Amino acid sequence: DTGVSQDPRHKITKRGQNVTFRCDPISEHNRLYWYRQTLGQGPEFLTYFQNEAQLEKSRLLSDRFSAERPKGSFSTLEIQRTEQGDSAMYLCASSLGTGSSDSPLHFGNGTRLTVT
Amino acid sequence: KNEVEQSPQNLTAQEGEFITINCSYSVGISALHWLQQHPGGGIVSLFMLSSGKKKHGRLIATINIQEKHSSLHITASHPRDSAVYICAVNSGGGADGLTFGKGTHLIIQP
Repeated sequence: DTGVSQDPRHKITKRGQNVTFRCDPISEHNRLYWYRQTLGQGPEFLTYFQNEAQLEKSRLLSDRFSAERPKGSFSTLEIQRTEQGDSAMYLCASSLGTGSSDSPLHFGNGTRLTVT
Repeated sequence: KNEVEQSPQNLTAQEGEFITINCSYSVGISALHWLQQHPGGGIVSLFMLSSGKKKHGRLIATINIQEKHSSLHITASHPRDSAVYICAVNSGGGADGLTFGKGTHLIIQP
C-alpha cells in the first residue's frame, strides 16, 4: 500500500493556461474525492467519484473545471483558462465505501497550484 | 448545508499540557472525522467516529450526537503534535464528500 499519490506536487502556470493534475488512489478504494484548500481555510469539496462514475459536483466547480476517472482507478482534474483565484492546494482523497458507509479517508499530499 | 465550527482557532501550549479542541456542527451527520495536517499539505486521518469515544495512543476523540459536538483531546502533548487539526463531517449518504471546519492551529512549545 503506497497510499494516495498526487502529481505534480507543485505547478506554476500563467493565467489563461490549462493545467491537469493526477491522483492515484489506494488501489482497492472505490471512492475518490477532490478538494481545494486555500491558505488558512479548511478544504472545500469539489467532486466525488464512485468507481468511474462522477456522482457529485460542488457549485465551486465552474465549467472551467473537469474531472475524470476513466477506468475507476486514477483520476485527473483539469482546469482550463486558469485564473489567479484558482491558486490553491488541490487535495485528493480515497476511501472504501459501500452504500452510506465509508472507511476513513486517505489523503494525498496535494498539488499546490500557483497562477501568475 | 452543514456548518462546522472549530474552537479555538489557534492554540499555543507548553509541552506536557492536556489539549482540547472542539468541533460543533449544525445538521445531523453520519460520521465525523478528525484530521491532522502538517505544513506542506499532507493530511492524515486520525479518527472517524459516529458515536461515543475512540482512543489511539495519546489521542482521544469523543462525540455527542444529541449536542452535535465533538472534542479531540491530546494527553501529555509534545512539540511533534504541532499541526493543524481539522474536523470534518459527513452529512449522510456517503456521496456528498465532507464539510470541513477551518482547522485549529496547535503549537506545542518545549
